[in-house]
Parts: sequence; C-alpha cells; structure tokens
Amino acid sequence: GAVVSQHPSWVICKSGTSVKIECRSLDFQATTMFWYRQFPKQSLMLMATSNEGSKATYEQGVEKDKFLINHASLTLSTLTVTSAHPEDSSFYICSARGQRYQPQHFGDGTRLSIL
Amino acid sequence: AQTVTQSQPEMSVQEAETVTLSCTYDTSESDYYLFWYKQPPSRQMILVIRQEAYKQQNATENRFSVNFQKAAKSFSLKISDSQLGDAAMYFCAYRRDHNMDSNYQLIWGAGTKLIIKP
Repeated sequence: GAVVSQHPSWVICKSGTSVKIECRSLDFQATTMFWYRQFPKQSLMLMATSNEGSKATYEQGVEKDKFLINHASLTLSTLTVTSAHPEDSSFYICSARGQRYQPQHFGDGTRLSIL
Repeated sequence: AQTVTQSQPEMSVQEAETVTLSCTYDTSESDYYLFWYKQPPSRQMILVIRQEAYKQQNATENRFSVNFQKAAKSFSLKISDSQLGDAAMYFCAYRRDHNMDSNYQLIWGAGTKLIIKP
C-alpha cells in the first residue's frame, strides 16, 4: 500500500518551455502533498506544501510564479515549471501523506534537464 | 528551529556485517517523530523505519533497528547482516507533532552514503 506515482521520470526540453510534473497517490487519499528539489549529492530541499483544494505554501526563496503547484484532488498534485531555464535543471520529488500521523510516501522523482 | 545532523558523510561495511549510522537532532519539542529514509541509486525515497518520541521502546524492522536516546537527542540506525542491496544514501528526518502544524513537514539531515563491500 501507500504508492505514489510521479510522471514523467525524465524530461529534456528547450529553454523557455513550461514543464508539468504529476504526482498521484494510487491507493490512498493524500491530504497533503510536498514538492522537493534535490541537487546532486545533497539532501532534499522542500519547495512547497499543498493541501487539497487550497493554495500551496511555498518555502522562502522559492518563486511561486516560477513553480506553479495545483492540488486539485485528494489523489493528484501537479508542479509546473514555467519558462524553464538551465538553472531549473534538477531532480524533483513529490511526496504524499494521508492522515496527519502517517509518514510521507515518495514518488520516484523526475529528472528535469533544460537545454 | 529544529535541526538534524548526520555527521558521517560516508560509511562502508563488509557484506553480512553490522553497521550503525548516527543521527542527532535539536528540538525543544517533547512530541515528535523520527524517520530513516533510504535513497538507492534509483533515487526513490524509501521509508526504512520510524520512531515516535513518546515510545521508549526502540523501533525495529527486520534487519533494521534504531537506538533512540531521547535525552541525548540521538537516533542511530543499525543495519544487521548487511546486504549489497542496502547500498544507498540514508537520510534521517524529524517531524514535529503539534496540533497547530497541520502540514507536519520533515526536517532532513544531510545524508550518509552507505557502501557495502562484497
């Protein structure tokens, strides 16, 4: 149980393109979803937290107009990197949590490469 | 603010041996959760084990066990009978348990790379 699917796993696109990453909880209702960014050989950096039906809460330093998050249902959250540039290239991971005392379960991550 | 420290950037162990990864944290809270996550080369984050602060008994999951020392704010992970598949980055994480903090964000350590020698 507690499976989180993240898609796509790898995307390469040109600078200026907008890229959408999907995060789905397959067998549970995700009250809260989290979006992380991970640089090589580093820990996870929380970008934003989203609760179903409400606006995402962004961490300090994260541009909300650059990284658009939508959590439209209890099983789906999307991260859209708008007008992506090479510096946005990174590994993005989503996680989802059901009830408040339950742990976060992670997707497989998305490797984003902007040329 | 809470912090999590993993002082070992890299550890190595012979296959079938036992290894302990260290983690310390700083908090003024009394109720919280601690986690160990594993990230293999595939980069998927996998929950290894978790500990509730109010429980005195150390959590165990098969070959994985923790030594939770609440007063010392220490939360080490012991891996027994190490296997090649245990090779990964291991991250220690803290989560507060507070009624007002409905999002329950994780505070992450920097990670320890575990190498298994065949």
